[in-house]
Amino acid sequence: AQTVTQSQPEMSVQEAETVTLSCTYDTSESDYYLFWYKQPPSRQMILVIRQEAYKQQNATENRFSVNFQKAAKSFSLKISDSQLGDAAMYFCAYTGANSKLTFGKGITLSVRP
Amino acid sequence: DAGVTQSPTHLIKTRGQHVTLRCSPISGHKSVSWYQQVLGQGPQFIFQYYEKEERGRGNFPDRFSARQFPNYSSELNVNALLLGDSALYLCASTLTGENPYEQYFGPGTRLTVT
Repeated sequence: AQTVTQSQPEMSVQEAETVTLSCTYDTSESDYYLFWYKQPPSRQMILVIRQEAYKQQNATENRFSVNFQKAAKSFSLKISDSQLGDAAMYFCAYTGANSKLTFGKGITLSVRP
Repeated sequence: DAGVTQSPTHLIKTRGQHVTLRCSPISGHKSVSWYQQVLGQGPQFIFQYYEKEERGRGNFPDRFSARQFPNYSSELNVNALLLGDSALYLCASTLTGENPYEQYFGPGTRLTVT
């Protein structure tokens, strides 16, 4: 069975600074996708960024980028130039052949003005 | 275009009762998945439906059931409610059953069991 681990329950960052959220996963599959979702207090789960396992290049979406280390089964999210609107819970998630999403426990990110 | 919609937004039920939650996918999306998110945890997969057939089921008791209608909307039913069923229930739609990176989530239904 696949597992996703987010070991940091909370993190804080100063506005305009950079923060990295950590995630590790375990799988025996060779073909899979990894995601970071953002869930603000409004509860709406929003896809931030995705990474296909077969792609060696790290995904980037504006201020969000990932560091995908396939051999180490590590998938961290870097948020640059942090903004107040980035404050939310962030979930790392995995999906493979069965198309179901497996989520980590999440990390609460706060942004200090 | 409208996103994934869910109803109701909030619901309060008593132990032992039955509940039905509803989800309408994004227009053109044929696959719907249901997730349970207990407070402070990540969502847990319950069901996936594609073209009205069950494609996957998570580790949930038989009290949980679901179905998908010809218009691709879906219902999640929970019988004999327990206090532990209190959670946010999320619905996600996908264009097809084989494109997992296109899951779009609705705002969820907050179920409280007293």
